[in-house]
Amino acid sequence: NAGVTQTPKFRILKIGQSMTLQCTQDMNHNYMYWYRQDPGMGLKLIYYSVGAGITDKGEVPNGYNVSRSTTEDFPLRLELAAPSQTSVYFCASGAGVDEKLFFGSGTQLSVL
Amino acid sequence: AQTVTQSQPEMSVQEAETVTLSCTYDTSESDYYLFWYKQPPSRQMILVIRQEAYKQQNATENRFSVNFQKAAKSFSLKISDSQLGDAAMYFCAYRRRRDDKIIFGKGTRLHILP
Repeated sequence: NAGVTQTPKFRILKIGQSMTLQCTQDMNHNYMYWYRQDPGMGLKLIYYSVGAGITDKGEVPNGYNVSRSTTEDFPLRLELAAPSQTSVYFCASGAGVDEKLFFGSGTQLSVL
Repeated sequence: AQTVTQSQPEMSVQEAETVTLSCTYDTSESDYYLFWYKQPPSRQMILVIRQEAYKQQNATENRFSVNFQKAAKSFSLKISDSQLGDAAMYFCAYRRRRDDKIIFGKGTRLHILP
């Protein structure tokens, strides 16, 4: 079982560059989430999706974009990377409202 | 806006003792779910326990139990017979049914003393 797969695992960006963090799940989950984790700050919700074609902003959406063209994929786009976007990014998916989230292994991103 | 507050950044407990981690949340919703997740050094997130707001009975999973006080908007986690493998970051999370947004607290780092 692959579960939730995130790529890349590590990335260093220069200020102003753009990149896409990939997230794929093979469990046919409708719900998918993107979080960032900064030391001492817990997980902050960036964007989420309750199904293909439906996305919504979370707590910290500025500087990011998402799309959900298929059930399996939920890529996170960073435009014009800034040092404040240095963080660990987690993608997660879930089947139902009271079901647990399945998390990817995270992407460590540094913007220098 | 919904918020989840974990007021204890770090806690320590002696092995085999009991420890309680605090979580409070702010919401005007009546239909929601609460969760505790554990994040060991591997960074993998593991569900510990869940609670539906409409259920009055406190959830229990082996050595883990919650004290859910809906009126006080409190959702504490009790770990009994603490083990070395319980050392981790613990996150409280709130999910509202209306739009499925899931909000996490800042976490509590739990140390287990041998």
